Amino acid sequence: EAGVAQSPRYKIIEKRQSVAFWCNPISGHATLYWYQQILGQGPKLLIQFQNNGVVDDSQLPKDRFSAERLKGVDSTLKIQPAKLEDSAVYLCASRELRGGQSSYEQYFGPGTRLTVT
Amino acid sequence: GENVEQHPSTLSVQEGDSAVIKCTYSDSASNYFPWYKQELGKRPQLIIDIRSNVGEKKDQRIAVTLNKTAKHFSLHITETQPEDSAVYFCAASKAGSARQLTFGSGTQLTVLP
Repeated sequence: EAGVAQSPRYKIIEKRQSVAFWCNPISGHATLYWYQQILGQGPKLLIQFQNNGVVDDSQLPKDRFSAERLKGVDSTLKIQPAKLEDSAVYLCASRELRGGQSSYEQYFGPGTRLTVT
Repeated sequence: GENVEQHPSTLSVQEGDSAVIKCTYSDSASNYFPWYKQELGKRPQLIIDIRSNVGEKKDQRIAVTLNKTAKHFSLHITETQPEDSAVYFCAASKAGSARQLTFGSGTQLTVLP
């Protein structure tokens, strides 16, 4: 099966600019996650969707970050305005929901490396 | 919320030796513990996982052990090879539809030829 797709792979912006990332999960995967991975650290969850609804966005800095998954498939994550500390890799992951029972494994995309100067 | 601690942060072993990475978790409700391998510039990839109804799981040269009482779990890699060099992350997740993963801080494993 095709994996999780993300674009762009790399992005360099100046602080205070805006940026958007795109994720296409594995076909049929109802659950989608966005993670932020700062260099030298483990991924940290930003937001979780199930279909087109938000399950948890408690760790999303909502003053500058926003995310949507309008049709329950693709998702976009936006940062506006960006700060230097937003430099990180942004990972998208998806998980299957089989017949109402959720599976365990999350499949990760290749990530978008953001550099804010 | 859940807190996962991982040790050591770096580990160097000679090719053919074994490597052990340890993690502890704080939330006794956690019941799923995956291990991910991340090579430089690449996506995290699941290498093995264990659920709380099992104490040990093995897949070829890789094994994971879980001690629910002590709330810790470990990754064991035997007969290490240079291609095992990567960053390894442990994670923990609770039951329920959310199944959010809380990751450890990672271990940089270097296998010296």
